[in-house]
Formats: sequence, C-alpha cells, structure tokens
Amino acid sequence: EAQVTQNPRYLITVTGKKLTVTCSQNMNHEYMSWYRQDPGLGLRQIYYSMNVEVTDKGDVPEGYKVSRKEKRNFPLILESPSPNQTSLYFCASNGPYNEQFFGPGTRLTVL
Amino acid sequence: GNSVTQMEGPVTLSEEAFLTINCTYTATGYPSLFWYVQYPGEGLQLLLKATKADDKGSNKGFEATYRKETTSFHLEKGSVQVSDSAVYFCALRSNQAGTALIFGKGTTLSVSS
Repeated sequence: EAQVTQNPRYLITVTGKKLTVTCSQNMNHEYMSWYRQDPGLGLRQIYYSMNVEVTDKGDVPEGYKVSRKEKRNFPLILESPSPNQTSLYFCASNGPYNEQFFGPGTRLTVL
Repeated sequence: GNSVTQMEGPVTLSEEAFLTINCTYTATGYPSLFWYVQYPGEGLQLLLKATKADDKGSNKGFEATYRKETTSFHLEKGSVQVSDSAVYFCALRSNQAGTALIFGKGTTLSVSS
C-alpha cells in the first residue's frame, strides 16, 4: 500500500531534550516536506526537500533541522525543543501531479 | 505573495443540506488548486484537484471548479452526510518547481442527523 508513515504518533517531552520524528514514504517520490498545524493558523511548511541531499527552509524553520540521506526517509529533528513547538506535525510527499500525500501526523507536547 | 482565503467556520448543517465552502486565492501565473479533508484524529487526505482554469475536480460527491476570472475554487456538495463532518482545507501550488503548498486556515464542517 502506498503511504507516508510517521513515528511516533504521540510524544510528550521536556524542554531541551533532543528528539527526532521519523518520516518514510514508499512511493519513490522526490519531493518531501514537513508541516506543523496549529489552531487558527492552518498548516505551515517547516522544511522541504526536492531530492536526496537537497533540503531548504519553508515558512517556519526556526528550531528545526532535517536531513535527506535516502529518498524514502525525511526525519525532522528538534535539537532543543521548546514549549512553542508543541503542535501537530505532518510529513508529506509529492505525487506526479504535485498533489501531496500526508502522513497520519505526530502530536508533540513540549513541557 | 501567494495566499488562500477560506470562509471561516464552523459550518453547521443538517443531513442532506447543500454545502458550499468558499475559497479564493491570490497567485501569479496559473497555480494548481486543491481541496484536502481532515477527519477527526487523522491526517490530511486529498479530496480533489484542478490544474488549469475551468477544470472541475470531483470526488465523493464533492465538486469544485477552477475559476480564474474570480480567482475562486469553491467546494460544493449537493447533499451532505454525517460522515462528511471534518475540516476542509483549500490549497494552491504555484507552477514553479519546488514551491510549497499554500493552505487556507481550514473550515470545520459539522453535519447533524
């Protein structure tokens, strides 16, 4: 089944404790991206990657890092999480007509 | 820059009512337009899309027509069901390579029986 998977689905952590949210797609898509969803703000892009070893900042990249060492994986890294990064995070990859396929989401709470 | 404006919700309807969720956009050139749906506790799913002017996207009884003259992509359904209760997002993507999807803020639809 063609899909985008994310792990973990839920995470509660404390300020400053590094964490990684994994994202994987099995559709051989080149373009992948990360979004955060916050009430009243909709979805905002954090980072995107047009291919392996090619990443670039989206609209709200501060406090986040990404890497793209393989085509299928695009992890999101929070080196020192803060409470304002409490949010719902979605990974996505692009299909051939620029439609995006989204993962199920990761709900992160930073205390 | 590019932007998407959706009608604010929540939209509350009775089953079998007619649904319209307005969406207008600002963009240079000829963007692709999308509607996504997010059911409670789930991620976003592509509902329908249109890639050029006058295209009509349709899926699951929902329709939207790409109107360049009014820069709109309104979502419609003739008879909503309780199972249509969700958050609906209008989005656009510029025709430039590597550009992100720009989302509206979402419209919550609640359908009661």
